[in-house]
Amino acid sequence: QKEVEQDPGPLSVPEGAIVSLNCTYSNSAFQYFMWYRQYSRKGPELLMYTYSSGNKEDGRFTAQVDKSSKYISLFIRDSQPSDSATYLCAMRTTDSWGKLQFGAGTQVVVTP
Amino acid sequence: GAGVSQTPSNKVTEKGKYVELRCDPISGHTALYWYRQSLGQGPEFLIYFQGTGAADDSGLPNDRFFAVRPEGSVSTLKIQRTERGDSAMYLCASSLQAGNEQFFGPGTRLTVL
Repeated sequence: QKEVEQDPGPLSVPEGAIVSLNCTYSNSAFQYFMWYRQYSRKGPELLMYTYSSGNKEDGRFTAQVDKSSKYISLFIRDSQPSDSATYLCAMRTTDSWGKLQFGAGTQVVVTP
Repeated sequence: GAGVSQTPSNKVTEKGKYVELRCDPISGHTALYWYRQSLGQGPEFLIYFQGTGAADDSGLPNDRFFAVRPEGSVSTLKIQRTERGDSAMYLCASSLQAGNEQFFGPGTRLTVL
């Protein structure tokens, strides 16, 4: 079983809807949590970076971390066709300074 | 400012050949990371450098893979005796220091025939 699980999708939503993405993990030592967006054949782009539990909002994006449930979420409000991409969650422990553990990614399609 | 750059963007080679992949980090970033991403999977950690030294190389799959960063800036990932299973996207990232947010380059797509 992988340390980080993510539903591969595809997740199809109409333009303007809220996109809801999530990851579960098994290692309770994970403390830092990230969400990346990756367009086809491009490198991942950092969207959100959070530490420990709680919520963080940045524009149309909201990241939530629930460490008690080992569950993280990303919400995208007012989705646009340009949001169509693969979304990757990533996380690391406090003492693993460089090694990010990624989920497999969820493909999102926003239809006009 | 300029982001992380990687060259070449695509590399096609034959089984058994040697390849070098280059990464130019964001100026001023002291930490540099290499990942490998297969189709439909998330990036998989290979190695990271803090300055010139490899701080964690636990992700290198075997001794055919080697990476250097001699002056603490540009890094080269070297793969000897390439195998078809090495075909993947090789991603480089950098951060201000180890542990900070990692910013990725566009990747090098390696195809081993």
